[in-house]
Amino acid sequence: GAGVSQSPRYKVAKRGQDVALRCDPISGHVSLFWYQQALGQGPEFLTYFQNEAQLDKSGLPSDRFFAERPEGSVSTLKIQRTQQEDSAVYLCASSYPSRDTPGYGYTFGSGTRLTVV
Amino acid sequence: DQQVKQNSPSLSVQEGRISILNCDYTNSMFDYFLWYKKYPAEGPTFLISISSIKDKNEDGRFTVFLNKSAKHLSLHIVPSQPGDSAVYFCAASEGAGKSTFGDGTTLTVKP
Repeated sequence: GAGVSQSPRYKVAKRGQDVALRCDPISGHVSLFWYQQALGQGPEFLTYFQNEAQLDKSGLPSDRFFAERPEGSVSTLKIQRTQQEDSAVYLCASSYPSRDTPGYGYTFGSGTRLTVV
Repeated sequence: DQQVKQNSPSLSVQEGRISILNCDYTNSMFDYFLWYKKYPAEGPTFLISISSIKDKNEDGRFTVFLNKSAKHLSLHIVPSQPGDSAVYFCAASEGAGKSTFGDGTTLTVKP
């Protein structure tokens, strides 16, 4: 597709439930990022892939958070045993690998709004 | 400790006038800076960027200025239009990996 696609758009989970959030990046974008955005704040980095390699996972808040991109395209962010503080919008972005590429910048998806009740 | 700060949560300007959005950073290792625009219920949209080797980059009505000694950048929108009303995020990166975002400035352009 033309843009970054995320699903589901909205997810309500009961505390303790596991959730999986999906991201379809733009074809040809080898870099993929996950961000978490709380209300009234800017996106906070979670993790970064280049192709299938997870190069940076320093932003994952706990070992309940896990991300994968097994074939270097679609990525899944999984949150186990969800807690109320996990409620946020989860944004996926993809980009060209080189900042020398004209128009370099993230292309974000519309996000998944997760509400843990 | 927030490495990228947008100290003005909101800004209101008249249509046709200049909008100036400001951003300060603390990490001197940041070498690439970007501005994103966000409408409600959508993801941020890339607007304009600047490398640390430059001090100005222009794209149509949008100009970004970088003052490395002051660790400050600004986005100028001239002339401002009602459709520019949105939340603007400043972001900075060190190398090709993650970007660090500010908390955003809500711009309202009044007709």
